[in-house]
Order: sequence, then C-alpha cells, then structure tokens
Amino acid sequence: DARVTQTPRDKVTEMGQEVTMRCQPILGHNTVFWYRQTMMQGLELLAYFRNRAPLDDSGMPKDRFSAEMPDATLATLKIQPSEPRDSAVYFCASGLFATGELFFGEGSRLTVL
Amino acid sequence: GENVEQHPSTLSVQEGDSAVIKCTYSDSASNYFPWYKQELGKRPQLIIDIRSNVGEKKDQRIAVTLNKTAKHFSLHITETQPEDSAVYFCAAHTGANSKLTFGKGITLSVRP
Repeated sequence: DARVTQTPRDKVTEMGQEVTMRCQPILGHNTVFWYRQTMMQGLELLAYFRNRAPLDDSGMPKDRFSAEMPDATLATLKIQPSEPRDSAVYFCASGLFATGELFFGEGSRLTVL
Repeated sequence: GENVEQHPSTLSVQEGDSAVIKCTYSDSASNYFPWYKQELGKRPQLIIDIRSNVGEKKDQRIAVTLNKTAKHFSLHITETQPEDSAVYFCAAHTGANSKLTFGKGITLSVRP
C-alpha cells in the first residue's frame, strides 16, 4: 500500500532553532505539495513542485521558509529561524499532474516554544 | 486564481439522517472536484471525487453532485453514523497548473 511518508511526526523546538521536515512522495508521482494546517487557517498551501521543479511558493514566508526537492524521492521544508507562530501541522502530499488526485502524508506536528 | 468556499462551517445531524455539504468555486476552468475527510489528529483522506464531464457520482452512502453552470458541488451522506463525524474539505483542481485549492473545511458532528 503506497503511502506518502513524512518525518518527523512530532517536533518540539525552541524559538530561533532550525527545523527541517522531510517527505518521501509515492513512487511515480510527479507533483509534491506542502500544506500547513492550523485551527484558524485550514489547509494553507506553502509550496508546490512538478517534476521536482518549484511551480508555486507564493504562500510561503520567503524570509524564513524554504522548500526543495533534491531528488524525486525526497522533498524538504526548512524553517530558519523558527518562531512560535510557525506551530502547526505540516502536511506533504503527492500526486499525478494529469489527474489532480492528491494523497497526504501523516503530517509533521511542529511546536515552537 | 481559484477560490473555493464551503458553507456552513459546522453541521450537526442526528444519527441516521442525511447530511449535505455545499461548496462553490470561482474558476470555470476547474475540472476535478475531490472531497477529503479528516478525522481528529489524522491526515486528510480522499473519500470521493468527480470530474467535470459527469454530474453525479455515488459510492455506497456518499455521493457528490456537480453543477457546472452554477459552479457548485455538494457532498451527500445518507444514513449518517457517528464515525462520519470529521472535518470535510472540498477542493477544486484547475488542469492548467494542476493545483488543488481547498475550502476552509466543515465540521460534521453526528449525534448518536
């Protein structure tokens, strides 16, 4: 049963620390998305890749967030420096460009103290 | 860009009753409309979807209808059960950039 894998599942860190979240998309998928979920904002799109190329990162705070796909099996989302307002659940999702279907990972719960 | 809205934001029904959740979208080029269910502490999971070339799709107790002219689509759940309690997200997909735009989500509560 193919799944999107995210690490870490839970992360508690102090303000100012660097945080890196990782995602392994489903093999064969050519789109990868990063979403942030908070109680107030629902599912907020941060970044979007197609065939590893970044297509849209307009929802991402550029001064502290960065997203990359070093290869087809790994997507990363980095926050440096982290702030308490970054506390949220970060979801990675992968899919196929042609169909639009998206499959979500279990999420990374980030708490910044 | 696409804008997807869900109404209402919360819905409470008695077990066994039907629930209908509505979404509207703004981009007439959108051609794929999935629904996701998210249980507390879990990931959103795709439960049903519809493409713009059909008007209705059914899978056991859930169905989705699409009105392209009015640009809205709805999720119908019949014979609701307590395990249907969750947050439901609708989304619209525009083929040009293959990006899913989500609604804010609706919390469905099924009272036993």
